[in-house]
Amino acid sequence: EVQLVESGGTLVQPGGSLRLSCAASGFTFSSHSITWVRQAPGKGLEWLANIKQGENDKYYVDSVRGRFTISRDNGKNSVYLQMNSLRAEDTAVYYCARDFFFYIDVWGIGTTVTVSS
Amino acid sequence: QSALTQPPSASGSPGQSVTISCTGTSSDVGGYNYVSWFQQHPDKAPKLIIYEVTMRPSGVPDRFSGSKSGNTASLTVSGLQPEDEADYYCCSYAGSSSYVFGTGTKVTVL
Repeated sequence: EVQLVESGGTLVQPGGSLRLSCAASGFTFSSHSITWVRQAPGKGLEWLANIKQGENDKYYVDSVRGRFTISRDNGKNSVYLQMNSLRAEDTAVYYCARDFFFYIDVWGIGTTVTVSS
Repeated sequence: QSALTQPPSASGSPGQSVTISCTGTSSDVGGYNYVSWFQQHPDKAPKLIIYEVTMRPSGVPDRFSGSKSGNTASLTVSGLQPEDEADYYCCSYAGSSSYVFGTGTKVTVL
């Protein structure tokens, strides 16, 4: 069974940093791009970032470029999202998902990040 | 990267059909045949129900169908069931390995 499990979400102060993790199983991890998507409370979905199979090709939405960094470790079947200079508006459920060649198919259950003092 | 435009809400009685529109631009919906749709129940992760405009993943009922014309894609739910009450989001590939989501539509089964 294809599965993605996020972790690392917590309460963090404005201006702080946090690293989210996404552990994958049930498929050939190194053959797929992975995407991060977030959903603020009561709001819609927002695509954040994507990392290609080869670990070096990374893409970001304008609102997080320069603050967030996506990375992966194919040896550990994991993807990470390093989030710096966090703001209240970054409060959301963060999902990792498999990118199946131009569409997103399988999602994790999400991890909650709350930015508040 | 502006969100795709969806109506905030749609509704229908059991057995009826409901169609949700998703309007983008030539840089996303109109430029690629890579529109997908997701169903999201409260406090759950989104679930893929349509990909590549018209394709249904295994296990998704054929009551769900997709189409596209120009910069607008549509999702039709035929024969509405109580379990179809959920939020629905369209999503389009937007080039350079990026995606853009729709604003979301809450479907109510009356």
